[in-house]
Amino acid sequence: QLQLQESGPGQVKPSETLSLTCSVSGGSIISNNDYWGWIRQPPGKGLEWIGSIYYGGSTYYNPSLKRRVTISADTSKNQFSLRLNSVTAADTAVYYCARHLRGPSGYFSNNWFDPWGQGTLVAVSS
Amino acid sequence: QSVLTQPPSVSAAPGQKVTISCSGSSSNIGNSYVSWYLQLPGTAPKLLIYDNNMRPSGIPDRFSGSKSGTSATLGITGLQTGDEAFYYCGTWDSSLSAVIFGGGTKLTVL
Repeated sequence: QLQLQESGPGQVKPSETLSLTCSVSGGSIISNNDYWGWIRQPPGKGLEWIGSIYYGGSTYYNPSLKRRVTISADTSKNQFSLRLNSVTAADTAVYYCARHLRGPSGYFSNNWFDPWGQGTLVAVSS
Repeated sequence: QSVLTQPPSVSAAPGQKVTISCSGSSSNIGNSYVSWYLQLPGTAPKLLIYDNNMRPSGIPDRFSGSKSGTSATLGITGLQTGDEAFYYCGTWDSSLSAVIFGGGTKLTVL
């Protein structure tokens, strides 16, 4: 059974870089049709897609965050990671990693996330 | 404010049926598939529906999805108190080049 687990600091100072890792077990991130994504949820608010990566390195980012986000994958560790630069209080959220699947066409016009990690709360505070 | 519009809340009695709407536009729902997620209090979202109306293994047939034009609907029959949660729709927006989610709907089972 595929499982994902986020890890990283629970607090980051304003203007610094948020770094999180998602460890995947029960399966490999080297999968022909799967991307691997990050989604966040500010306290009491809805979901926001951050971006997704293919094991080969291809990435898609939310344009609203693109200039500050880097997602990378380490196939040797079966992990993928998120870096978000220049954080502010608005970046305080629960950060989730998830497998990002696409339909037979391979286009993101048909996409969904399953399964999700349990999430990790990152607070931006001095 | 979300590009996809969901009602903030819906409610119904145990055993009854409820529907949750997700309204979008031609740049998202109108030309893409919709997925639905369930988020129980304090837990991560869980996939309920993909490809507009497909249920993953383990999701009971009390949950159903449909899409018409630029709107999608999640239906839940035989409501149980354990269904109390937030429900989110999601899709791809070709104008934004981004995955987008609705603002979420809180289901209360009275």
